[in-house]
Amino acid sequence: ETGVTQTPRHLVMGMTNKKSLKCEQHLGHNAMYWYKQSAKKPLELMFVYNFKEQTENNSVPSRFSPECPNSSHLFLHLHTLQPEDSALYLCASSQAMGGSINSPLHFGNGTRLTVT
Amino acid sequence: GNSVTQMEGPVTLSEEAFLTINCTYTATGYPSLFWYVQYPGEGLQLLLKATKADDKGSNKGFEATYRKETTSFHLEKGSVQVSDSAVYFCALIMDDYKLSFGAGTTVTVRA
Repeated sequence: ETGVTQTPRHLVMGMTNKKSLKCEQHLGHNAMYWYKQSAKKPLELMFVYNFKEQTENNSVPSRFSPECPNSSHLFLHLHTLQPEDSALYLCASSQAMGGSINSPLHFGNGTRLTVT
Repeated sequence: GNSVTQMEGPVTLSEEAFLTINCTYTATGYPSLFWYVQYPGEGLQLLLKATKADDKGSNKGFEATYRKETTSFHLEKGSVQVSDSAVYFCALIMDDYKLSFGAGTTVTVRA
């Protein structure tokens, strides 16, 4: 049990579908993140929320829409995705923003997304 | 900008072999450095860390030393086990509080 739970573990969707990824953390952390993990590429930071407020949008296309209703929950709404969006999407949290030495990131197990 | 470059995999080893994964960084100042590990089907976990030059991080038999002169933070383990099969990520953070990851190195240990 990592303390950060992501659902679903696997998702297959067509390019016209709308789906959502969910992340929940039980660690009492104040910052939450979405990362995209693609093969042979560095982890890409997508969004950062600190105390429910979005502090970072790393030039992510609008077909990805995050939502953070409270400090424990984070969603990623997906709409009209492209096949190149297929990847592992990781959620993470930390006590303070950034993932520093004193506030390391805690990751969920990820959602494996396949866009057909 | 700040970035991390780590050796490309995959790396395949036999049990009890010596493992080295090279990591070098580019940064405008003095970052804190990390190694994260991702076991199959799981998210990333912090493996070890170092905050300043000559610091040595260690955990689970793994070690890495912060070398300012070579801007490196190579990961080593003297005798690997099958359970060490995973993807290893080098990462850094600066004062901007943005964690930058490398591309990951896949390590497979054969019995």
